[in-house]
Amino acid sequence: GENVEQHPSTLSVQEGDSAVIKCTYSDSASNYFPWYKQELGKRPQLIIDIRSNVGEKKDQRIAVTLNKTAKHFSLHITETQPEDSAVYFCAASTAFGNEKLTFGTGTRLTIIP
Amino acid sequence: GAGVSQTPSNKVTEKGKYVELRCDPISGHTALYWYRQSLGQGPEFLIYFQGTGAADDSGLPNDRFFAVRPEGSVSTLKIQRTERGDSAVYLCASSPYQASGYNEQFFGPGTRLTVL
Repeated sequence: GENVEQHPSTLSVQEGDSAVIKCTYSDSASNYFPWYKQELGKRPQLIIDIRSNVGEKKDQRIAVTLNKTAKHFSLHITETQPEDSAVYFCAASTAFGNEKLTFGTGTRLTIIP
Repeated sequence: GAGVSQTPSNKVTEKGKYVELRCDPISGHTALYWYRQSLGQGPEFLIYFQGTGAADDSGLPNDRFFAVRPEGSVSTLKIQRTERGDSAVYLCASSPYQASGYNEQFFGPGTRLTVL
């Protein structure tokens, strides 16, 4: 089955700097890669996703890149703000998100004011 | 509109007891998922329903775990003879399921289960 690895497990950056979180996956059939943000005690919420037929997607300060050959994808947050502090999870699906998601272990991002 | 809701928000039980966890998906969403999240980990897939039927139950850890969705809407996750290792946050998600498209999974707030 699919295995998703995520690094780093914790990340601290100064407010205004950029943050990068990286994930690798094992199943070359994976075709959908969402990123979820989870604040303490709250539900995971989708912040951005990318499909296997594109290499990059951007939404304001957030971007995701996908390298299918190397089977890795990354989340980039620019101009970080205190409200970006949370745990971020990457995930992969082989069925366009219609079936199970396999999640990474999470990255705790702390923005230092 | 209303998001995915789960009840109870917290459940404390004793080892060996039976528990039921409920999920109300977003209205009209035909796909429903259960995940389990242990402390410091990502959500781990348990079971996926398409309508009333379990399309994939490969994530259920053993036969103490069972889930139903009799009318294709509300789902109940049932755990028999609970063990301390079952303690976790149980998350439910739903999605509108389009066979030809990509579908975001919308998560509920979870039920925190503690087995003493």
